[in-house]
Amino acid sequence: DIVMTQSPDSLALSLGERATINCKSSQSVLYSSNNKNYLAWYQQKPGQPPKMLIYWASTRESGVPDRFSGSGSGTDFTLTISSLQAEDVAVYYCQQYYSAPQSFGQGTKLEIK
Amino acid sequence: QVRLVQSGAEVKKPGASVKVSCKASGYTFTNFGFSWVRQAPGQGLEWMGWISAYNGNINYAQKLQGRVTMSTDTSTNTAYMELRSLRYDDTAVYYCARDASVGPPHFSGFHIWGQGTMVTVSS
Repeated sequence: DIVMTQSPDSLALSLGERATINCKSSQSVLYSSNNKNYLAWYQQKPGQPPKMLIYWASTRESGVPDRFSGSGSGTDFTLTISSLQAEDVAVYYCQQYYSAPQSFGQGTKLEIK
Repeated sequence: QVRLVQSGAEVKKPGASVKVSCKASGYTFTNFGFSWVRQAPGQGLEWMGWISAYNGNINYAQKLQGRVTMSTDTSTNTAYMELRSLRYDDTAVYYCARDASVGPPHFSGFHIWGQGTMVTVSS
């Protein structure tokens, strides 16, 4: 099974600052036949289901603001919020969908300082 | 638009069963599958399993094998997740999410989620 580990567990930043969340998988989620990384990022606000932000490690979901970006390949990935807004307060999860069982990171709680 | 609408909250006693439904609309049901994900209070996301609405193929999380059954009804465009022998630590919000119609390497992440169903296990 692939284990996903996020860092940090929590993050407190000022409005307008850059937020960086890391995600590491216990084995590569890069599928060589199509050169795609099977990695997604989700945002979850209290009382709501998760919302997909990024898939294939770096493709932004339709309607997601361009301050959100994803990068990385193989086993190491990053979600970056270029300029933190008040509405970005949430818990962020990475997920691998390379193989079953699909798995999530433990989550990173993002707050405003 | 594409929607997944889940059944309402449930309260069950330990040892009982619960069946959660997830009705899909706005797309061709058999072109996709469903994953089920649960979230215990204050905790992270746990993948429970996947079912194809195309061919009925299934993959369950090992820890739930023997207690969970996933199914689909193509006549009503509805997916179901039944969990048996409920324990206190099954208390969680249960989500359905639209997934690929065939298994790896065709999984594609969860672009659409249901609103969640709270299942409380209490004596």
